[in-house]
Amino acid sequence: SQELEQSPQSLIVQEGKNLTINCTSSKTLYGLYWYKQKYGEGLIFLMMLQKGGEEKSHEKITAKLDEKKQQSSLHITASQPSHAGIYLCGAANNDMRFGAGTRLTVKP
Amino acid sequence: DAMVIQNPRYQVTQFGKPVTLSCSQTLNHNVMYWYQQKSSQAPKLLFHYYDKDFNNEADTPDNFQSRRPNTSFCFLDIRSPGLGDAAMYLCATSRDKGLADGTQYFGPGTRLTVL
Repeated sequence: SQELEQSPQSLIVQEGKNLTINCTSSKTLYGLYWYKQKYGEGLIFLMMLQKGGEEKSHEKITAKLDEKKQQSSLHITASQPSHAGIYLCGAANNDMRFGAGTRLTVKP
Repeated sequence: DAMVIQNPRYQVTQFGKPVTLSCSQTLNHNVMYWYQQKSSQAPKLLFHYYDKDFNNEADTPDNFQSRRPNTSFCFLDIRSPGLGDAAMYLCATSRDKGLADGTQYFGPGTRLTVL
């Protein structure tokens, strides 16, 4: 079955700093989803990437898909406390499989 | 607003006492999913319904059952909860399968405590 490894597991940044979260798959990625989860709540859909080299942005969050590396990255520019939460990547080759998540803390 | 609703948000049950978690959606999506998420772990798919067709994951224990009486509602039944079943249970829906239509939208979750 497909495994998704996220790095780092946790991240603490000062408000205003940029950061990158990575998601690496053990198998070919045909599509990848990024979600955000606040503690004790459900997952909020951020964006979906389906083509190699594809890059999408929503407000200050940009995600890229590198099919050859079987990897996706999520980049946040000028982080804010509202960005804090757990970011999960999910791959949907058959049924959805998620990574364990990256816990982001943004210090004011 | 179209959404996925889960009730209750918090559920406490006793060891071995059956419990039912509820999910409803106003999105009119074909597919409904149930996930189990334990602390600091990835959500784990238990099963899903594609319309009325039930699809069980191979490693989902028999203790977990599901019902989908209509398009809008889906229930998760835990017949004899054990201490290891304490977790967050997430319901999700998608319009269809496949990449674009398969985008899943989640409810807020039900946190289950087993005493």
